[in-house]
Amino acid sequence: DGGITQSPKYLFRKEGQNVTLSCEQNLNHDAMYWYRQDPGQGLRLIYYSQIVNDFQKGDIAEGYSVSREKKESFPLTVTSAQKNPTAFYLCASSKWEGFTEAFFGQGTRLTVV
Amino acid sequence: GQQLNQSPQSMFIQEGEDVSMNCTSSSIFNTWLWYKQDPGEGPVLLIALYKAGELTSNGRLTAQFGITRKDSFLNISASIPSDVGIYFCAGQRGAQKLVFGQGTRLTINP
Repeated sequence: DGGITQSPKYLFRKEGQNVTLSCEQNLNHDAMYWYRQDPGQGLRLIYYSQIVNDFQKGDIAEGYSVSREKKESFPLTVTSAQKNPTAFYLCASSKWEGFTEAFFGQGTRLTVV
Repeated sequence: GQQLNQSPQSMFIQEGEDVSMNCTSSSIFNTWLWYKQDPGEGPVLLIALYKAGELTSNGRLTAQFGITRKDSFLNISASIPSDVGIYFCAGQRGAQKLVFGQGTRLTINP
């Protein structure tokens, strides 16, 4: 079945450490996105990518980094520079940037301990 | 970044009741989407609206694209326990990124 897969489901990180969240899709979508979700808030865009080897900052990119070496993969690294990293992270993809029906993964809950 | 104003923020209803929620913006959007998120999961697309005035149904769900293009509405008829979750609206304007509302948390008492 086609879909978008995030791993791991739960992730614990010590303060000062970098951690990478995985996102893979087999939908042949060009565009991929990373969102952050905090309790009681909507989804905030961290980074997005329209094509391989290209990506743009979203609304809250500080403390995060991404790469897009393959069409299917868009990993997100939460760096030690992110002051409040504990959150629920969602990856999404759509056929192309601007095509609005985005499909989401199941999310990764990151907790800093 | 811009966010949509979604209301109500939370709803507590009895099973079988109808539900209404809405989303408003100060800006015009070309597309409105409604998603549902179950606890600990990613949002799932329920309905997509592409034309002002459009009324679209998906089972017990009905959504409308406001005539002014600045709002959208979602109705759920005869609610059941599996309707529990957070409902998000999202809008898009031109080639810009999706903008999401803060969500409406629906709780149903059996």
